[in-house]
Amino acid sequence: AQRVTQPEKLLSVFKGAPVELKCNYSYSGSPELFWYVQYSRQRLQLLLRHISRESIKGFTADLNKGETSFHLKKPFAQEEDSAMYYCALSGRGSTDKLIFGTGTRLQVFP
Amino acid sequence: EAQVTQNPRYLITVTGKKLTVTCSQNMNHEYMSWYRQDPGLGLRQIYYSMNVEVTDKGDVPEGYKVSRKEKRNFPLILESPSPNQTSLYFCASSLRQYQPQHFGDGTRLSIL
Repeated sequence: AQRVTQPEKLLSVFKGAPVELKCNYSYSGSPELFWYVQYSRQRLQLLLRHISRESIKGFTADLNKGETSFHLKKPFAQEEDSAMYYCALSGRGSTDKLIFGTGTRLQVFP
Repeated sequence: EAQVTQNPRYLITVTGKKLTVTCSQNMNHEYMSWYRQDPGLGLRQIYYSMNVEVTDKGDVPEGYKVSRKEKRNFPLILESPSPNQTSLYFCASSLRQYQPQHFGDGTRLSIL
């Protein structure tokens, strides 16, 4: 069964500190992993996906199949990074669909 | 502009009064989905649709209905709303079910 676990409900850091939002998954096939972000009072939007291997707004995420993780990282947090972050998982099977973790709220203090 | 449009954005109503939240997308996406977002519970899927006339239950379908008569529209129907359906609802669409989803702005429902 597909499952996404985000162990932290809240992560608080000071501006300039490194950030790591954890995401672990369970999936028997070849997964596709995503990070979505929701800024205050805004819609969810795609932040990045593992197959793109790109950096968006300074965030990166590496898929670690051995540890079944897809942690989101940023070396220096900014106040505008404060938001709700959701990790999501999908496969390419005909019955697979995108499922979300419960989310982690990132608070960046000045 | 490619977008997912939900209406209404806010609604306060009373228990038992049927309501419909509309969702429309202009990207010719096959897959559409409804989620509810509650504090501490994240996003939970209510119903989804792989294509026209194909709908299926998500994780929390009780008390909701959907229909997909046209590709662009996917309304969420609450036949007899109850206070535990007070929540923030999001509609989303994607080209295929496993691809990144585009979300609407959300509908905040309060059932008194």
